[in-house]
Amino acid sequence: EAQVTQNPRYLITVTGKKLTVTCSQNMNHEYMSWYRQDPGLGLRQIYYSMNVEVTDKGDVPEGYKVSRKEKRNFPLILESPSPNQTSLYFCASSRNTEAFFGQGTRLTVV
Amino acid sequence: RKEVEQDPGPFNVPEGATVAFNCTYSNSASQSFFWYRQDCRKEPKLLMSVYSSGNEDGRFTAQLNRASQYISLLIRDSKLSDSATYLCVVNDNYGQNFVFGPGTRLSVLP
Repeated sequence: EAQVTQNPRYLITVTGKKLTVTCSQNMNHEYMSWYRQDPGLGLRQIYYSMNVEVTDKGDVPEGYKVSRKEKRNFPLILESPSPNQTSLYFCASSRNTEAFFGQGTRLTVV
Repeated sequence: RKEVEQDPGPFNVPEGATVAFNCTYSNSASQSFFWYRQDCRKEPKLLMSVYSSGNEDGRFTAQLNRASQYISLLIRDSKLSDSATYLCVVNDNYGQNFVFGPGTRLSVLP
């Protein structure tokens, strides 16, 4: 079954404590991306990767890092989370005909 | 100007109604077009692709007007289960970068 798996699904953390949200896909897609979704703002792209070791900034990259050491995994790293990064995060894996999303990670930074 | 714009909604309609969503996009180089559906607190999922010739899938009809950079989705005979947010999506960057509209929320009422 085609899948994009994110972990954790829910996370509450404190300001400044580094965290990583993992994302893994089993479809051998080259293109992966991270989005955040906030009320009234829709899905905004944070970072994307067109292949292994190739990553680039999306529309809202500040405060985030990513890595793509292997094709299936694309973790999102928050080195020093702040309350304005409280959001719903989605990882996506795509080919040109469809984007597949993970189930989302609801992050709260207090 | 946002790259993809949609009717703000929400749309509250009775069961059995016909409802139409509109979407405009700014990048004339956009290559592919889609409607995604997102249920509350869930990940977006592909509803249907949109082709220049127009396409239909059961009660759903999608239309694309490239000259006007306009996309539409028509839902006939609305069901309670159609209640969701509908996202207009265009695909740029050699078919890899998916750009999402803010979404229009639909509530179908009994």
